[in-house]
Formats: sequence, C-alpha cells, structure tokens
Amino acid sequence: DAKTTQPTSMDCAEGRAANLPCNHSTISGNEYVYWYRQIHSQGPQYIIHGLKNNETNEMASLIITEDRKSSTLILPHATLRDTAVYYCIVSVGGATNKLIFGTGTLLAVQP
Amino acid sequence: EAGVAQSPRYKIIEKRQSVAFWCNPISGHATLYWYQQILGQGPKLLIQFQNNGVVDDSQLPKDRFSAERLKGVDSTLKIQPAKLEDSAVYLCASSLVGRSYFGPGTRLTVT
Repeated sequence: DAKTTQPTSMDCAEGRAANLPCNHSTISGNEYVYWYRQIHSQGPQYIIHGLKNNETNEMASLIITEDRKSSTLILPHATLRDTAVYYCIVSVGGATNKLIFGTGTLLAVQP
Repeated sequence: EAGVAQSPRYKIIEKRQSVAFWCNPISGHATLYWYQQILGQGPKLLIQFQNNGVVDDSQLPKDRFSAERLKGVDSTLKIQPAKLEDSAVYLCASSLVGRSYFGPGTRLTVT
C-alpha cells in the first residue's frame, strides 16, 4: 500500500477553517484517499474519501490535486470538538478494504 | 443503526495470563478487522476476516495471538500468554463497501 506523509501536529483557532495536508506521491491509479479521525479514547471515525474528484459532505471537504500526489482535508468551521488525530490513508477500497494507519496529524483547536 | 460493540472496555491482567476480547460488528457487514493501538501510535492491523474466512493475518503474532469469527458474525481475539508489550487498545472494526466503522476498543494493561 502507498504511504502517506502528514505533519505531526497543527493548531487552528475555533471558528476558522482547518486545512490538513497529506502527501501520497506513490499513490496508484486505483487507490482512494481516505480520511479518518480519532478523538481521545475513542475508535477512529470515518470522515470522507475520494478517488480524483473533490468531495464534500456534512463533516468536511476533500481537495485532491490533479496529479493525485497530495490532498487537503478542510474542516470549514473548526470547533473544540474537532480536536483529534487525523489520519490520511490510501487504499484500494472495496469490500475488503484494508486501512494502514500512520501516525496522523494531531489537530488542536484553540478557543 | 447500532455501532460496533466490544467488550470488555478495560482489562488488567498479569503477564503470562490469558485474555479474550469480544466484538459484535454492524449487522450485514461481511468484513471484520482487529487492530492493536499502542499509546502514541496509529492502529496496526492484526487480522482481517471476510465472512468467517481469514483474508490477512500477516501481522498477527501467531505464537500467542489467535482470532476466530464464528458463523461470519461475532469475533473473539485471544492472547495467551500475555506479555508486557501487549498493553494497548484493541480495536474492532467492520466494513461495508470500503468504509470502516470502529468500536470503542478494549484497553488492555499487562502488569
């Protein structure tokens, strides 16, 4: 599976947009970009995923570059409850999808 | 819909003892995963089931860890004998069409 590179930590002011970058320069054509987050003492939670087009749902937006070598997760109006570790994962998806987690980005939303 | 259930939530045992964790996935989810998460690290995949068959157990320490999924529904993960380095959170997840849902995890402390 392709590896991803994320900053170790980031800060964001409450109410502002949080932009979390991810590099996945060795991504294959059939691999999706997935984002999960893990709030302290909870299991990881799915946020969003995409193949090559930008995606948006009620939680976040995912912007994937045209060459698919990097992506950005955008939380449009961060709240204190968004403080968590955010994981960017590339995977082929499908019924037997296998998620290989890195160390992720610790996003700290400041009041 | 009901989420992934795990029990117990916490377990403390002495080294060389045995322990078992139980997971009930979301109804209808054919794929089930067990992950180990050591403090400060991302979850590490131990084993993946598709229905009641093993898809991937390459990271499972088979000399002490075992897992089964009876009738393609519930699953148990066992450690025998436990070592100090097995102290971690054990996460169960189930998947439908590439999106994984995680349980709250079982926090194991080996003393």
